[in-house]
Amino acid sequence: AQSVTQPDIHITVSEGASLELRCNYSYGATPYLFWYVQSPGQGLQLLLKYFSGDTLVQGIKGFEAEFKRSQSSFNLRKPSVHWSDAAEYFCAVGARGYQKVTFGTGTKLQVIP
Amino acid sequence: EAGVAQSPRYKIIEKRQSVAFWCNPISGHATLYWYQQILGQGPKLLIQFQNNGVVDDSQLPKDRFSAERLKGVDSTLKIQPAKLEDSAVYLCASSLGRGQDTEAFFGQGTRLTVV
Repeated sequence: AQSVTQPDIHITVSEGASLELRCNYSYGATPYLFWYVQSPGQGLQLLLKYFSGDTLVQGIKGFEAEFKRSQSSFNLRKPSVHWSDAAEYFCAVGARGYQKVTFGTGTKLQVIP
Repeated sequence: EAGVAQSPRYKIIEKRQSVAFWCNPISGHATLYWYQQILGQGPKLLIQFQNNGVVDDSQLPKDRFSAERLKGVDSTLKIQPAKLEDSAVYLCASSLGRGQDTEAFFGQGTRLTVV
C-alpha cells in the first residue's frame, strides 16, 4: 500500500528565508507525486506535480520540488518565503495520476516578520 | 470559471443524528471525489464517481455513509447516524475526466462537528 510521511508537523521561518519541506513516500512502482497547499478555511490548491521526466519540478507561487528515487523523497523548496505562504502543505502520492491519491498528514508553515 | 461549490460550510449536530452535504462540481467535470479530513490528518478519499457511477468506494464506511450523484452532476454525501469520530472537514473535488493527468480541483469543504 502506498503511504506518505511528512516528518515535520510545524515549521517556522522568517520572511525572506529559504524553505524546505520534507516528504518521503512509499510506493512499489513509479509514483505520481503532488504538493498541495491549504490556507485556513480553504480547499486544497495544487502547487506542483511529478508524473515523469525532469526530476526537478517547477510549480506555482515560486515553489519547486525535486524527486529523488534513491531516497524516496519529494521535498518542496522555495528560495524566499513571503508572509502569504503561511498555510498547511500536504504531500501526496497517487497510484494512477490523480486517482487513488494518498495524502500525508501535512506540515503547517508559520512565517514570522 | 466557477469553482467547486459546497454547502453548508459549517454544521453542528448531535451524535446519532443524520446530516447531508451537497457538492456542485465544476461544469463539465465528469469525475467527482469526496474526501474526509480529520483534524491533524491529511484528506482521505471516501468515494470517487465517474459521471453517475461509483469508481472507488473502498474507504467509505458503508454502514453509516452513503453518497449519490444523480444525473452525473451534483452529489450528496450523507451520514446516518453520525458518531463523534465523524467530526471532520468533508471536501469535494472534481476533475474533467478519469485520465491520470486531469487535475482535481477542490471546494472549500464542509466542517462537521458532532457533539
